[in-house]
Amino acid sequence: GENVEQHPSTLSVQEGDSAVIKCTYSDSASNYFPWYKQELGKRPQLIIDIRSNVGEKKDQRIAVTLNKTAKHFSLHITETQPEDSAVYFCAAPRSGGGADGLTFGKGTHLIIQP
Amino acid sequence: EAGVTQFPSHSVIEKGQTVTLRCDPISGHDNLYWYRRVMGKEIKFLLHFVKESKQDESGMPNNRFLAERTGGTYSTLKVQPAELEDSGVYFCASSPTAGLAHEQYFGPGTRLTVT
Repeated sequence: GENVEQHPSTLSVQEGDSAVIKCTYSDSASNYFPWYKQELGKRPQLIIDIRSNVGEKKDQRIAVTLNKTAKHFSLHITETQPEDSAVYFCAAPRSGGGADGLTFGKGTHLIIQP
Repeated sequence: EAGVTQFPSHSVIEKGQTVTLRCDPISGHDNLYWYRRVMGKEIKFLLHFVKESKQDESGMPNNRFLAERTGGTYSTLKVQPAELEDSGVYFCASSPTAGLAHEQYFGPGTRLTVT
């Protein structure tokens, strides 16, 4: 089965600076990599995802990069704002690219310092 | 459209009691998943339904957990008897397309506390 490692567990950045969260995965057949944001007491929500046929995807201040050879993908948040404070989870399919459920990383608690 | 809903939002029970959690997925979504987050750790997969069929229940911790999805609509997750280590937040998620990795829409979760 898939194994996902996520670093760091906690990340504190000054408002306006950039934040980068990194994940590695073990199954070379995996082809779908979502990132979820969970604010305190709320449900996890998808903020961006990438499929293995592209190396980078951007959506305003958020971007995800994928290196299939090295089996790692990263979340980049630029010009961080207080509302970016949350726990962020990376994930990969439990088996290849199917809809069999997700394996999540342990989460990164992002703290935006004013 | 209405999102994934879960009931109850909170449940506090004593060790040895039974609790049933309910999930209503987004209408028309074939895939329904149960996950659990224990003590601030990672979100862990419990099981996956495609319509009314259990596709994969390899994440279920033990036979004290029973999930059903009668008629392929809502799902229930019963814990009987509950143990202290069952405490955590139980999330349900759904996605529309069988056989294809797709965004999973999460419910708000049920926070289960076993005392």
